[in-house]
Amino acid sequence: EIVLTQSPATLSLSPGERATLSCRASQSVSYYLAWYQQRPGQAPRLLFYDASNRATGIPARFSVSGSGTDFTLTISSLEPEDFAVYYCQQRSSWPLTFGGGTKVEIK
Amino acid sequence: EVQVVESGGGLVQPGRSLRLSCAASGFTFDDYAMHWVRQAPGRGLEWVSGITWNSGSIDYADSVKGRFTISRDNAKNSLYLQMNSLRAEDTALYYCAKDNSDFPSYFDYWGQGTLVTVSS
Repeated sequence: EIVLTQSPATLSLSPGERATLSCRASQSVSYYLAWYQQRPGQAPRLLFYDASNRATGIPARFSVSGSGTDFTLTISSLEPEDFAVYYCQQRSSWPLTFGGGTKVEIK
Repeated sequence: EVQVVESGGGLVQPGRSLRLSCAASGFTFDDYAMHWVRQAPGRGLEWVSGITWNSGSIDYADSVKGRFTISRDNAKNSLYLQMNSLRAEDTALYYCAKDNSDFPSYFDYWGQGTLVTVSS
């Protein structure tokens, strides 16, 4: 099973600041990685898949990079609605696995 | 509009069974893989099980293997999860999620979840 480790667990930032979230895989997943956002009380929402493909309706302030074992999600300037939990997920091999999540909270 | 709606959750005693259902609409159901993903209270996401478009390939998380069975009925646009020998640690919100491909990949549409509580 591929283990995804997200860091930091919590990121305390102010609106307008830049957020950088990390996801590290225990073995290479090539580019087979997705990112999700989960706001409180809501179902997760797909942000990016296959490392760099933006899902429908995702604003340009969100960007991603990485391949292999190290991936980054960046939010260039935090909006109030961006304070949420973010998860990475791999589809390189079964079982599909998620990272433990990074909570982006208001400082 | 794509919709997936879960049902069948509830309070169940340890060791008992429960069957979850997911009704899909707004897309060609048999073109896509489907999944169950759960989230224990205050915890992260855990993929539970997935099934390809034609039920030709199925897999489970180790935590449920041998106890849960996923199935689908393409004629009814429905996904199911039969959960047997339930444990307290199976308590979670269970999401039905549509894949963005016909083989297990990513989850592009999610339901609102159905809550399963395992307790005596």
